[in-house]
Amino acid sequence: AQSVAQPEDQVNVAEGNPLTVKCTYSVSGNPYLFWYVQYPNRGLQFLLKYITGDNLVKGSYGFEAEFNKSQTSFHLKKPSALVSDSALYFCAVRDGGGGSYIPTFGRGTSLIVHP
Amino acid sequence: AAGVIQSPRHLIKEKRETATLKCYPIPRHDTVYWYQQGPGQDPQFLISFYEKMQSDKGSIPDRFSAQQFSDYHSELNMSSLELGDSALYFCASSLGGTPGYEQYFGPGTRLTVT
Repeated sequence: AQSVAQPEDQVNVAEGNPLTVKCTYSVSGNPYLFWYVQYPNRGLQFLLKYITGDNLVKGSYGFEAEFNKSQTSFHLKKPSALVSDSALYFCAVRDGGGGSYIPTFGRGTSLIVHP
Repeated sequence: AAGVIQSPRHLIKEKRETATLKCYPIPRHDTVYWYQQGPGQDPQFLISFYEKMQSDKGSIPDRFSAQQFSDYHSELNMSSLELGDSALYFCASSLGGTPGYEQYFGPGTRLTVT
């Protein structure tokens, strides 16, 4: 079984400050991890993924995420937040160890960047 | 670049009516997924197709059915609509059936059942 937890329903940050959106996961095999962003009334948009290799993954719009196997985490980060980053962020995991390839999504974290 | 196309974007139906949602994946993508997203909720997986065959089934009600056609577009058919079916329905596509490929989502169809 696979699962994802996004412990924060909402994250508030001031523009220009660094931001972190947390995600922890559980899989039986190797984790394939994804971050998506959703703007109001829009579909989810792929940001970045971790499959293998470097633990620090860089993605779109200046976002990056760090894979931490020991802590089973894949937190999304950005050094300097923009007001336009305000959106809903979803973490997703797929189990690379076989079985269903359907990703499991977290409940989402609403990021609010204040001017 | 071409994206996932969904039609219609908005749909209003009455209880017990039927609805058909269409999805056109990104060219060369062979896998299509359908999701239902209620207000303030994460996307709930309904069903997926790989190379025109059903590959996985999630929490899709028996009143719903779907298929993927020879041109890889997919349709979600919903019958005996209930008020609780009101939601955003997303289609996503990806390249291949392996877990390393990210999904590309369409803009969604907002279904309102009155």
